[in-house]
Amino acid sequence: EVQLLESGGGSVQPGGSLRLSCAASGFTFSSYAMNWVRQAPGKGLEWVSSLSGSGGSTYYADFVKGRFTISRDNSKNTLYVQMNSLRVEDTAVYYCAKSRTGIADAFDIWGQGTMVTVSS
Amino acid sequence: DIQMTQSPSTLSASVGDRVTITCRASQSIINWLAWYQQKPGKAPKLLIYKASSLESGVPSRFSGSGSGTEFSLTISSLQPDDFATYYCQQYNNYFTWTFGQGTKVEIK
Repeated sequence: EVQLLESGGGSVQPGGSLRLSCAASGFTFSSYAMNWVRQAPGKGLEWVSSLSGSGGSTYYADFVKGRFTISRDNSKNTLYVQMNSLRVEDTAVYYCAKSRTGIADAFDIWGQGTMVTVSS
Repeated sequence: DIQMTQSPSTLSASVGDRVTITCRASQSIINWLAWYQQKPGKAPKLLIYKASSLESGVPSRFSGSGSGTEFSLTISSLQPDDFATYYCQQYNNYFTWTFGQGTKVEIK
């Protein structure tokens, strides 16, 4: 069964850091681009970052550029996002999602999400 | 940046109704558009990709159409399981992915 499982969420003060992980199973992880999407409480979906299958190409939404770093370890079938200089407005459920085929594609498999709360 | 605007924001309908949700892009995205369904507390689910291609396992009552800047998602006969929030998403060669603000389909 194709599955994504996020972990690493929690509560942090403004200016703090967190690293989220997304463990993949059931497909050839290194063959697919992967993505992070977030959803603030009661709000819509917001794309955060994407990464090619090799890890060589990365893309970020403007609001996280310079603060978040996406990466992957294909030997561990795991996607990461390192989140630094966190702001209150980064509070959201963070989902990892698999690209359907190429990097510029829809997201066909989603994890269950992990909650990040940034508050003083 | 490409902006995606969905309408309506909320839609009240009854079981068996035909419902249509519209998504407009601020510039042409050709057919690089997906539709997702999300239920409360759950992850989104891909319904349609490339504007009109039905994802495997999705019921045929869901269909997508459009190209350029105007797109629509139609549910031919609304079922109890379809009450949810629907999002469009553009994906293009500029490596940005933008979602619409969502359309909540609720029971009339």
